[in-house]
Amino acid sequence: GDSVTQTEGQVTVSESKSLIINCTYSATSIGYPNLFWYVRYPGEGLQLLLKVITAGQKGSSRGFEATYNKEATSFHLQKASVQESDSAVYYCALANYGSSGNKLIFGIGTLLSVKP
Amino acid sequence: DMKVTQMPRYLIKRMGENVLLECGQDMSHETMYWYRQDPGLGLQLIYISYDVDSNSEGDIPKGYRVSRKKREHFSLILDSAKTNQTSVYFCASSLGTQNTEVFFGKGTRLTVV
Repeated sequence: GDSVTQTEGQVTVSESKSLIINCTYSATSIGYPNLFWYVRYPGEGLQLLLKVITAGQKGSSRGFEATYNKEATSFHLQKASVQESDSAVYYCALANYGSSGNKLIFGIGTLLSVKP
Repeated sequence: DMKVTQMPRYLIKRMGENVLLECGQDMSHETMYWYRQDPGLGLQLIYISYDVDSNSEGDIPKGYRVSRKKREHFSLILDSAKTNQTSVYFCASSLGTQNTEVFFGKGTRLTVV
């Protein structure tokens, strides 16, 4: 079936340094995967950070970027310079319409801690 | 204000008790979802509802049932809760089922002792 694997556990980065959270996916060929990054700030629900529905395209939001790489089956999240306010849990997700039906398949989440 | 509201936010129940988790949304979304998240796992889909009285099982429906009598409300029911149902439960909604943003509630932390 379809699945998502992302950087496990916690990532700690100093403020103003760069960030990458790895995400790879497995999707059955009959579907057409859409890829997402969700973020959960402390005390809040998950909210959409960015999405990309076309292979080869890049999504961006709040300084974060992710490129849908179909050849590498990857969708890594990057930011050039993190801020303390970026501390949150980040989830990579896949929706494979036509294969997994109408649902989001999530990675386990990566806790980002930004040190001042 | 677009939001999904979950009640209660924290709940402690004894094994064998019945549990009701409530979810509401103010966006007139057709589709609603219940997920749970456990340590080391991604969110797992329990049930999906396409509209009033139109519900389908997700990946882990065993031990749960749902009720949707109004478009804006979606309830998750645990009849005779078990300790392995201790988890964080997320409700979500979306306008449709494809290529639409999914909005999540803040979650309910349920502990079954």
